[in-house]
Amino acid sequence: GENVEQHPSTLSVQEGDSAVIKCTYSDSASNYFPWYKQELGKGPQLIIDIRSNVGEKKDQRIAVTLNKTAKHFSLHITETQPEDSAVYFCAASRAGYGQNFVFGPGTRLSVLP
Amino acid sequence: SAVISQKPSRDICQRGTSLTIQCQVDSQVTMMFWYRQQPGQSLTLIATANQGSEATYESGFVIDKFPISRPNLTFSTLTVSNMSPEDSSIYLCSVALGQSYGYTFGSGTRLTVV
Repeated sequence: GENVEQHPSTLSVQEGDSAVIKCTYSDSASNYFPWYKQELGKGPQLIIDIRSNVGEKKDQRIAVTLNKTAKHFSLHITETQPEDSAVYFCAASRAGYGQNFVFGPGTRLSVLP
Repeated sequence: SAVISQKPSRDICQRGTSLTIQCQVDSQVTMMFWYRQQPGQSLTLIATANQGSEATYESGFVIDKFPISRPNLTFSTLTVSNMSPEDSSIYLCSVALGQSYGYTFGSGTRLTVV
């Protein structure tokens, strides 16, 4: 079955710097890759996603890149702000399971003022 | 995106008892999903609930332990039965609105079993 790895597990950056989180997946048939942000005491919130027919997608300070050949995708946050501090999860769709996903283990991002 | 109301938001329960978690969505959805998030861990899918059919459980989760109801297109319940301290987790309800939208999650139920 699908396996998703995520690195780093923790990440600290200075406010204004960039943060990059990387994920790899195992199933080449996966075709949809969302990213979620989870703040303390809240449910995960979808922040950006990318489909397998696209190499890059950007939404203001957030971007996601996908390398299908290497089976990895990354989240890029520029000009980080303290409110970006949270746990971030990547996910990959499970082929043949409709809208069913496997989540990575998460990255705890701390943005230091 | 959909708005999901999940109840209760948290509970402390005695071992051996059961807790039923409710999930209400403000729009009709075909599939609803129940996830477990153990402390400091990632999200693990428990089961997929479709209206009008039995839930589909993932490996390691069984209906006797986690019975699910899905009486209509906007509501579902998950029961955690015969609880033990190992069941202490956050339980999350989520819905998918289409291939382009991933999931929307509820705020979760934080369960502590003592």
